[in-house]
Amino acid sequence: DTEVTQTPKHLVMGMTNKKSLKCEQHMGHRAMYWYKQKAKKPPELMFVYSYEKLSINESVPSRFSPECPNSSLLNLHLHALQPEDSALYLCASSPGGASNQPQHFGDGTRLSIL
Amino acid sequence: ILNVEQSPQSLHVQEGDSTNFTCSFPSSNFYALHWYRWETAKSPEALFVMTLNGDEKKKGRISATLNTKEGYSYLYIKGSQPEDSATYLCQYRDTGGFKTIFGAGTRLFVKA
Repeated sequence: DTEVTQTPKHLVMGMTNKKSLKCEQHMGHRAMYWYKQKAKKPPELMFVYSYEKLSINESVPSRFSPECPNSSLLNLHLHALQPEDSALYLCASSPGGASNQPQHFGDGTRLSIL
Repeated sequence: ILNVEQSPQSLHVQEGDSTNFTCSFPSSNFYALHWYRWETAKSPEALFVMTLNGDEKKKGRISATLNTKEGYSYLYIKGSQPEDSATYLCQYRDTGGFKTIFGAGTRLFVKA
């Protein structure tokens, strides 16, 4: 079982809906990441939080809004998404700071936009 | 634009065959290279962390090498087994530490 828990596993939403993806880890990691992965493509980095502060935003459209309420939780708020946003959204965590330790991944949320 | 390339895109081998695949990455601003194994419907699982030029790491039948000067890493699997079937991803991290780029992966199919 993965140590990074993502909910929900699947989400279908309309373009006018507002929903949130959740990610939780209890390994004491201080860096958390959101990735977007389309079929047959590599995971693309979206956001990085380090010590609960946003460190990297890879020019992600504002319809995606990340939030890190505490060191164990990472949310991704979704609003007015487009069909091309349908993808697998992966959350990951790693020990604090810019370390070279590997990331621990959740199983992902499969998102479909109608 | 930074690019991480993996080859081949997919590989079909017979049980018992040994195989290897390549990850090419920018040689400048190198910080670390990670190899992950990703089975369908599961989360990517870390295999190796490679940081120093000339690094060689081994875990059972799987090993990896690193050449940071020319910007490539090899992953080797000796005596492939059906349970080795998965996508093998490499992840490049630059000197900032947080910036990461994944290769598209090599999809390995091992037939019994």
